[in-house]
Amino acid sequence: DAGVIQSPRHEVTEMGQEVTLRCKPISGHNSLFWYRQTMMRGLELLIYFNNNVPIDDSGMPEDRFSAKMPNASFSTLKIQPSEPRDSAVYFCASSFAGGSEQYFGPGTRLTVT
Amino acid sequence: TQLLEQSPQFLSIQEGENLTVYCNSSSVFSSLQWYRQEPGEGPVLLVTVVTGGEVKKLKRLTFQFGDARKDSSLHITAAQPGDTGLYLCAGARGGNKLVFGAGTILRVKS
Repeated sequence: DAGVIQSPRHEVTEMGQEVTLRCKPISGHNSLFWYRQTMMRGLELLIYFNNNVPIDDSGMPEDRFSAKMPNASFSTLKIQPSEPRDSAVYFCASSFAGGSEQYFGPGTRLTVT
Repeated sequence: TQLLEQSPQFLSIQEGENLTVYCNSSSVFSSLQWYRQEPGEGPVLLVTVVTGGEVKKLKRLTFQFGDARKDSSLHITAAQPGDTGLYLCAGARGGNKLVFGAGTILRVKS
């Protein structure tokens, strides 16, 4: 079975550009999570969805970040405009709603120069 | 402020040694999970513990949940180079939102 799929795996962009990260959760899972991981701050939850509805976006750092889940099999995390401090590895994870066990994708390593 | 404190932050040991990683909190969790993450990959779930005092074994790994469901430990017997990675504990407090610890970086030298 396919796990969580993320694209791209690596993204290098210049400050001020728009960045879009994509995620396909495991089929049948109805909760989706976006995390950011850095050496300084560890793994931080940005936002999560249950049944395509955003439940908690308190971890989204600022208005430059937005996330959507138009259907059960696809989500995007967008940064506009990007800044060098956004450089990190961004993970998407999915789970069954009501269950705590999360399955992570391979991550997108974002570098903003 | 980290809700879940992991210790040690970094551990470098020789192959064959035993080790214990700790995950502590002042908060009660409905369940606690341990993940292992290797470079360039996402965290992979190792185990979930739910009941206070619960002990689970996964080959050479032993996981324990504290009686009060505030802390947990991971013990590895006869560590091998393949155990090298970042170990993360994560607590659930109802619902499916997790709080992650900062992690313990384990390096096992052959």
